[in-house]
Amino acid sequence: EPEVTQTPSHQVTQMGQEVILRCVPISNHLYFYWYRQILGQKVEFLVSFYNNEISEKSEIFDDQFSVERPDGSNFTLKIRSTKLEDSAMYFCASSARQGWRETQYFGPGTRLLVL
Amino acid sequence: SQKIEQNSEALNIQEGKTATLTCNYTNYSPAYLQWYRQDPGRGPVFLLLIRENEKEKRKERLKVTFDTTLKQSLFHITASQPADSATYLCALMNTGFQKLVFGTGTRLLVSP
Repeated sequence: EPEVTQTPSHQVTQMGQEVILRCVPISNHLYFYWYRQILGQKVEFLVSFYNNEISEKSEIFDDQFSVERPDGSNFTLKIRSTKLEDSAMYFCASSARQGWRETQYFGPGTRLLVL
Repeated sequence: SQKIEQNSEALNIQEGKTATLTCNYTNYSPAYLQWYRQDPGRGPVFLLLIRENEKEKRKERLKVTFDTTLKQSLFHITASQPADSATYLCALMNTGFQKLVFGTGTRLLVSP
């Protein structure tokens, strides 16, 4: 069964460093999302992406964050200058179009630790 | 402000019993309500989706009800098994097919 994959599974970085989290959505899906989950808290929406542009973003998704679909398969989240409070699990999700697009399928996550 | 509430305390039940989890929401008019399962350190796994004009949805041992008047959804697992032990998340979506808004989840523990 097709699934969303994410790399790396774990990332440790120093405060102020840039990180890029990578995702390969399910093939033929057209809607892509990033969510994050701080330890012990709920899953929070960051951004949605469709047709090579951001379609919605939350207040968490400030100028330090960016997303990109550099080719036909990858979807990336970049954090330009990481802060301690960016430490969280980051989940990529994708959904199909037309009728079933509201079902979002999540990847296993990248655990980001900012020191 | 919009709020989604799920029982924060863990639900402990015996194997074979029916588990019932509750999701209440306020100041929200979702077009869709979804239930996900999340295991520790893993991503949410989609279980069931119910639309605002549907009252009930079933899939194998799972059943979801959606009462837009009460602003509540109930999630049932019948004949529960220890393998059903996980955190179950309720999530709402508006008509724009964009973001999912999650509740904090309820941890279910099924003991043999």
